[in-house]
Amino acid sequence: NAGVTQTPKFQVLKTGQSMTLQCAQDMNHEYMSWYRQDPGMGLRLIHYSVGAGITDQGEVPNGYNVSRSTTEDFPLRLLSAAPSQTSVYFCASSRTGGVTGELFFGEGSRLTVL
Amino acid sequence: QQQVKQSPQSLIVQKGGISIINCAYENTAFDYFPWYQQFPGKGPALLIAIRPDVSEKKEGRFTISFNKSAKQFSLHIMDSQPGDSATYFCAAGNNDMRFGAGTRLTVKP
Repeated sequence: NAGVTQTPKFQVLKTGQSMTLQCAQDMNHEYMSWYRQDPGMGLRLIHYSVGAGITDQGEVPNGYNVSRSTTEDFPLRLLSAAPSQTSVYFCASSRTGGVTGELFFGEGSRLTVL
Repeated sequence: QQQVKQSPQSLIVQKGGISIINCAYENTAFDYFPWYQQFPGKGPALLIAIRPDVSEKKEGRFTISFNKSAKQFSLHIMDSQPGDSATYFCAAGNNDMRFGAGTRLTVKP
């Protein structure tokens, strides 16, 4: 049972570079989301999706883009990385959304922007 | 501005003691209140959750107390064990969960 798979686990970028964090789930979950975790800040919601073709902004969406072309995948794109985006990123999925279902998290992607 | 405020930031408890973590939320439209547990290097995992139509939910050693009028809820860990040492997050929301800042719990043997 793979669950929620995030790649890469570690990444170092230079300021201004772009990259995509990949997230895939094999549980046929409709809801997927991205969080960033910073010390003392907990988990902050970046973007979420309630189904293929539908995305919405969370608390801290600036500097990030998402798309949801399939139920399984929900990539997070950084178009021009900034040091403030140094963080641990978590992807999570749920059967029906946070209101009725448990969020299943991946193991995280640690990003450092120099 | 965090919509869910969690305290304390860190907590040290002796084995067998009671650990208590508190959370307060602002948005009265929130209708799902889970607690997540996170071990180092891992993603958070659901521990226990409650809906606002009940005031308490117990699962084994873990209990959530919920006060809708005060917009507060808390996690109680009875008979705390060293294996409970982890970071705990409260959350609240509807479709999009908003998390507290986390509490690092250390249970001393």
